[in-house]
Amino acid sequence: DSGVTQTPKHLITATGQRVTLRCSPRSGDLSVYWYQQSLDQGLQFLIQYYNGEERAKGNILERFSAQQFPDLHSELNLSSLELGDSALYFCASSLQIGANTEAFFGQGTRLTVV
Amino acid sequence: AQSVTQLDSQVPVFEEAPVELRCNYSSSVSVYLFWYVQYPNQGLQLLLKYLSGSTLVESINGFEAEFNKSQTSFHLRKPSVHISDTAEYFCAVRGNMAGSYQLTFGKGTKLSVIP
Repeated sequence: DSGVTQTPKHLITATGQRVTLRCSPRSGDLSVYWYQQSLDQGLQFLIQYYNGEERAKGNILERFSAQQFPDLHSELNLSSLELGDSALYFCASSLQIGANTEAFFGQGTRLTVV
Repeated sequence: AQSVTQLDSQVPVFEEAPVELRCNYSSSVSVYLFWYVQYPNQGLQLLLKYLSGSTLVESINGFEAEFNKSQTSFHLRKPSVHISDTAEYFCAVRGNMAGSYQLTFGKGTKLSVIP
């Protein structure tokens, strides 16, 4: 158990809908990262937050947004869903943002868009 | 920019045989290197990491990786694999990219251990 909690574990929804994925980082970790894992693209970095502030953006679509709340949990919002958004979405957390800081991953949320 | 290339997408190997999973990286900045393992239907777990010091790093379950700066490689090895090592392995790099430290992953290598 990494200490990073993601809910829900599975989500099935229809095209055009909007969903929210939730991540609770390890106790004390200030930084949260979101990744998307798909068969064709592999693990893609989406976005990073540190202590409530957006720190870096990766290959995140405009239909997607995220935020980190004062209690440090984070939510990833996916809207106008398309079939191609079906993937495993991981959240990771780390204590700080240094390059040598270990990141711990949650179990992921498997999103299926039908 | 930084990138990671895992040269083999699938590696089948017999139980108790040695294995090497290859990883090459490129980066314009100093990097730290990681191997993560993903067991079926599970999240990513850190297997081992190179931060500094000795270029040979080891995990608790018998894997080791060697950082080779001149060849920009961080290959993962195990002298004798077990059935339980069947999983997907991801090599990752992390460096300071404009103040961000996100991990950049390779495409992964699926290790299948054959009884």
